[in-house]
Amino acid sequence: ETGVTQSPTHLIKTRGQQVTLRCSSQSGHNTVSWYQQALGQGPQFIFQYYREEENGRGNFPPRFSGLQFPNYSSELNVNALELDDSALYLCASSRTLDRVGTEAFFGQGTRLTVV
Amino acid sequence: DQQVKQNSPSLSVQEGRISILNCDYTNSMFDYFLWYKKYPAEGPTFLISISSIKDKNEDGRFTVFLNKSAKHLSLHIVPSQPGDSAVYFCAASVIIQGAQKLVFGQGTRLTINP
Repeated sequence: ETGVTQSPTHLIKTRGQQVTLRCSSQSGHNTVSWYQQALGQGPQFIFQYYREEENGRGNFPPRFSGLQFPNYSSELNVNALELDDSALYLCASSRTLDRVGTEAFFGQGTRLTVV
Repeated sequence: DQQVKQNSPSLSVQEGRISILNCDYTNSMFDYFLWYKKYPAEGPTFLISISSIKDKNEDGRFTVFLNKSAKHLSLHIVPSQPGDSAVYFCAASVIIQGAQKLVFGQGTRLTINP
């Protein structure tokens, strides 16, 4: 059983640019959640995808968007990058929606630096 | 509005002794609580969870205790090992507008001294 994998692991972008981060969920998992972790803080919920549909989002502006594909892998897109978007972006997968509370497995994250 | 708080940024424990990590929360709607361990340059690793209707869950060296009246939970690690040195996050699960999301504390850095 493969784990959750994210790509790329590190990325440097310029303010105003756009970025796409990718996540392959664990085999058999249909629910993917994205989190942003700023330095010294706990992860903050961005949004969640369940069976290819967005299933709710946290307090993030619309320039944060995503997709989930039929194989349940997912993308996080951020437009018009700002310096404050510099953070570790984490993807978590769960077997199904009602298992998020009992076990959500995280990837290694993508470290995004905006300069 | 910090709904999940870990008030100790760091904790230092002797190898072989008990490590106790604490977490407080404010939202009574949380249905599960989880603990994660995080090493630098890695994602959080799931350790153990507990339902809000239970008061204790045990898995090997890890035990989580939940005190609903005090809105407090703790993670006990016995005995502590050098490999336990990491940042530990407490998280709480809640359904908001259809999404089952995790709300995290700020983390506690645990150092196990030989």
